[in-house]
Amino acid sequence: NAGVTQTPKFQVLKTGQSMTLQCAQDMNHEYMSWYRQDPGMGLRLIHYSVGAGITDQGEVPNGYNVSRSTTEDFPLRLLSAAPSQTSVYFCASSSERGGETQYFGPGTRLLVL
Amino acid sequence: AQSVTQPDIHITVSEGASLELRCNYSYGATPYLFWYVQSPGQGLQLLLKYFSGDTLVQGIKGFEAEFKRSQSSFNLRKPSVHWSDAAEYFCAVRRGYALNFGKGTSLLVTP
Repeated sequence: NAGVTQTPKFQVLKTGQSMTLQCAQDMNHEYMSWYRQDPGMGLRLIHYSVGAGITDQGEVPNGYNVSRSTTEDFPLRLLSAAPSQTSVYFCASSSERGGETQYFGPGTRLLVL
Repeated sequence: AQSVTQPDIHITVSEGASLELRCNYSYGATPYLFWYVQSPGQGLQLLLKYFSGDTLVQGIKGFEAEFKRSQSSFNLRKPSVHWSDAAEYFCAVRRGYALNFGKGTSLLVTP
């Protein structure tokens, strides 16, 4: 089991560019989430999914889109990157209802210039 | 909405000393509570979790936490800190299908 994988590990974007952060898990987990981590802010929930075809917004969804076409993959899209989106992004997955034990990926560090 | 507060942004302890990291929660019912650790440049690792039952929870790496409903607290403890425990520690509470995190406590261990 690779667990939760994220690509790329590091990315630099210019303001206005778009990109997709990839997240995949091989544990057949129903629940997947995206968080962003900023200094002094902890981790904040961006979007989450409770299964293929079902997504919902978290605490800080603006500027991000998600979709869940398969159980394994949960990509996060930035349509028009802004400097405020400079952050470390973590993807997580869980098999229990309520997300009792979430498994985190290694993170993607994004810099928007 | 359920949330957690970590009052201490930074804590410094000497190697071998005991450690207690504070976490206060805000939730009407019994919350599902977690402690995660993040080493520099790394992802998050689950230390322990509390759902119900025994209020003293044992975790990995010699950590434990005690759920105190009367104080709305879920403090993390370790009797003897090792230099490798230097990291960022996050308390979290279940929020629907995901987690609501505290802002973290950065632990520095001195020789």
